[in-house]
Amino acid sequence: EPEVTQTPSHQVTQMGQEVILRCVPISNHLYFYWYRQILGQKVEFLVSFYNNEISEKSEIFDDQFSVERPDGSNFTLKIRSTKLEDSAMYFCASSDRGGTEAFFGQGTRLTVV
Amino acid sequence: AQKVTQAQTEISVVEKEDVTLDCVYETRDTTYYLFWYKQPPSGELVFLIRRNSFDEQNEISGRYSWNFQKSTSSFNFTITASQVVDSAVYFCALSDTPNFGNEKLTFGTGTRLTIIP
Repeated sequence: EPEVTQTPSHQVTQMGQEVILRCVPISNHLYFYWYRQILGQKVEFLVSFYNNEISEKSEIFDDQFSVERPDGSNFTLKIRSTKLEDSAMYFCASSDRGGTEAFFGQGTRLTVV
Repeated sequence: AQKVTQAQTEISVVEKEDVTLDCVYETRDTTYYLFWYKQPPSGELVFLIRRNSFDEQNEISGRYSWNFQKSTSSFNFTITASQVVDSAVYFCALSDTPNFGNEKLTFGTGTRLTIIP
């Protein structure tokens, strides 16, 4: 069964460092998303991406964040200068069109120290 | 603005009991989608169901059933004859009419379900 794959599963980084979280969406999907879940809290929308551009972003997704689809398979989330409060589980998701279920990856746990 | 409320923070039941997880939503849209996701201890989000706002029929899938009531803006989830493997955090989510290229999900705060053997 096709699945969304995220790497790494866990990343530890020092405050102020740049991190790139990687995702391989399901191959025929066109819509891509990043969500964040701070430990013990709800899942929050960060950004949606379609046709090589951002469709919508939340207020969490400030200038520190960027997304990119550098090739036909990867979808990345970059945090330029990490803060302690960026520590969270980051989920990538994809869907084949709007209005269908989004399939989530297993998440990348980011720990900023 | 959209909002999803899961008032039950934690529920514990003994194995084989039935349990209902509540979900109440708010939206101004006439077309929207409701979802349930399961998050087991391993952390991933597992899709359970998606329901279109125009389809108010209840749905049953094995031991799982969902009751969608537009009149009360609720989309409750019942597990019949619960099992230990059902222990997880369950999230209800809502998306509005998808704009071109956008499927933003608004999640509730989740209900942690513990099944006691």
